[in-house]
Amino acid sequence: RKEVEQDPGPFNVPEGATVAFNCTYSNSASQSFFWYRQDCRKEPKLLMSVYSSGNEDGRFTAQLNRASQYISLLIRDSKLSDSATYLCVVEGVEAGNNRKLIWGLGTSLAVNP
Amino acid sequence: DTGVSQDPRHKITKRGQNVTFRCDPISEHNRLYWYRQTLGQGPEFLTYFQNEAQLEKSRLLSDRFSAERPKGSFSTLEIQRTEQGDSAMYLCASSHPTSGRADSYEQYFGPGTRLTVT
Repeated sequence: RKEVEQDPGPFNVPEGATVAFNCTYSNSASQSFFWYRQDCRKEPKLLMSVYSSGNEDGRFTAQLNRASQYISLLIRDSKLSDSATYLCVVEGVEAGNNRKLIWGLGTSLAVNP
Repeated sequence: DTGVSQDPRHKITKRGQNVTFRCDPISEHNRLYWYRQTLGQGPEFLTYFQNEAQLEKSRLLSDRFSAERPKGSFSTLEIQRTEQGDSAMYLCASSHPTSGRADSYEQYFGPGTRLTVT
């Protein structure tokens, strides 16, 4: 099982739709979770950090389910400008208690007029 | 601009040449990371520094790659004897961990250096 897995998509949705992405992780000891957004040929930008069971920022809601080891990102009332790749990032713990971030491959979203 | 900056933004080089990239992190951030990203893939971790100490290197970082952060501020990534497989976007990120907080690993990225090896 990959350390962090995402459905690559692409997700094609009309403007105004609600869309949800899931991301599963393998390390039950992970403590930090993030969603980043990346536009084509640009750098990743932090979208949300995921605290405790989840948090909300405007049209975006992130949820964490520790029991099932997944995080989700919900986008409501999607806009054309939401078209991007959404990257799930999970803190990993390696031998020697070294911690680092493990990146998913990203889920591609295209919002259509 | 107080964000992460990288230089150059684009580099085209011939196979076998050496290249060096620079990253200037956000000034109060003590952690600096290098990643490599190819089209359709997520960022692949290469190495990271806490202040001037290089704390971890990925297995992806072959002997041809070396990174430095001599004064704990800017960092350089050098690739010697470049190969076509080195063509990628090289991303730098910085963060300032706060113990015990979930945001302790929030990373902020520079615009990247796009390397093309011909």
